[in-house]
Amino acid sequence: SAVISQKPSRDICQRGTSLTIQCQVDSQVTMMFWYRQQPGQSLTLIATANQGSEATYESGFVIDKFPISRPNLTFSTLTVSNMSPEDSSIYLCSATTGVNQPQHFGDGTRLSIL
Amino acid sequence: RKEVEQDPGPFNVPEGATVAFNCTYSNSASQSFFWYRQDCRKEPKLLMSVYSSGNEDGRFTAQLNRASQYISLLIRDSKLSDSATYLCVVNKTGGFKTIFGAGTRLFVKA
Repeated sequence: SAVISQKPSRDICQRGTSLTIQCQVDSQVTMMFWYRQQPGQSLTLIATANQGSEATYESGFVIDKFPISRPNLTFSTLTVSNMSPEDSSIYLCSATTGVNQPQHFGDGTRLSIL
Repeated sequence: RKEVEQDPGPFNVPEGATVAFNCTYSNSASQSFFWYRQDCRKEPKLLMSVYSSGNEDGRFTAQLNRASQYISLLIRDSKLSDSATYLCVVNKTGGFKTIFGAGTRLFVKA
């Protein structure tokens, strides 16, 4: 399975600032996704990162708050903009090689907003 | 009704016990099914895929019942290291959309 690296692994940020999280896959993948997970909660899909086009956002998430890039088949970024304490969470990227294939996850970015 | 439902637990079992987790899904056209394991403060990791014929990997057995829209995971001879949250995962038909259950928490005690 693909090896997925995320960075930073954790950060503590001031409210009102923005942070960009990077996700690098060691092989070409078809789809990449960004999730958020609050402590003790399940995964919430933020968006699907589409290569060469705008990301597809889930209900409750907007591009202005969570801009996403995917310039090629192995790399994506998620920016958390104008952060507030409510954005404190674990952010996870995942990737899959095809329909009906499992997703594999990066080890997450633990974000705390002061 | 949630698209994927799991018993949240927690399940507290002694070492060596057999434990079974159940999961139901609402979309009868769902195509692929998985169990993931998530350790505390770690990312989810694929445990096994689930096939209609059932499949086994060591102490772990997964079953799929399409008629009842039901997935199960059986863990035999539980180890302390099996303590984790187990996520039931369903892929929607015709696309890459994946639905994660909320997870079932397992504690295995000595």
